[in-house]
Amino acid sequence: DAGVTQSPTHLIKTRGQQVTLRCSPKSGHDTVSWYQQALGQGPQFIFQYYEEEERQRGNFPDRFSGHQFPNYSSELNVNALWLGDSALYLCASSIGSSQGGTQYFGPGTRLLVL
Amino acid sequence: AQSVTQPDIHITVSEGASLELRCNYSYGATPYLFWYVQSPGQGLQLLLKYFSGDTLVQGIKGFEAEFKRSQSSFNLRKPSVHWSDAAEYFCAVGPTGGFKTIFGAGTRLFVKA
Repeated sequence: DAGVTQSPTHLIKTRGQQVTLRCSPKSGHDTVSWYQQALGQGPQFIFQYYEEEERQRGNFPDRFSGHQFPNYSSELNVNALWLGDSALYLCASSIGSSQGGTQYFGPGTRLLVL
Repeated sequence: AQSVTQPDIHITVSEGASLELRCNYSYGATPYLFWYVQSPGQGLQLLLKYFSGDTLVQGIKGFEAEFKRSQSSFNLRKPSVHWSDAAEYFCAVGPTGGFKTIFGAGTRLFVKA
């Protein structure tokens, strides 16, 4: 049973560019959450997708957007990249209807903005 | 405001010694509490979680944690540390379903031989 997968593993972009990160949830999971983990810090919640809609959003600007597909996979898009967007981006999946559902994390995509 | 504090940025223990990692939280409602571990280059792995019931929770890899409502704490413990436990540990608090989970800044554990 494949766990949560993310692609690409590493990415280098320049300021002002746009980036798309991808996530495939664990089998049987229908909910995907995205987190940003800056160096030396804990993950910060960006948003969560359930039933192809954004269910809740953290304190991130509109430059961060996402999408969930009918197969429950998800994309995170970041426009107009800043140097400060350099971080590890983590995807987590869970069962949305489950009380206290446990999140399973992928290995992350490390983004470097130059 | 909701927050999680892990007072220790890093801790060094000898292999075979006991371990306690501290976590304090601030959360308006009944909290759901988690401990995760992150090894270099890897994602987060759930060690244990507390939702309700017995305040002493057993997890994987020999870890346990105790929820103390009066102290707003959820400290992680292990009686005997192995070299493979060296990693970063994150305490987190969140509502049902895990969305908008709030993480602490993490504690880096070093294990010396």
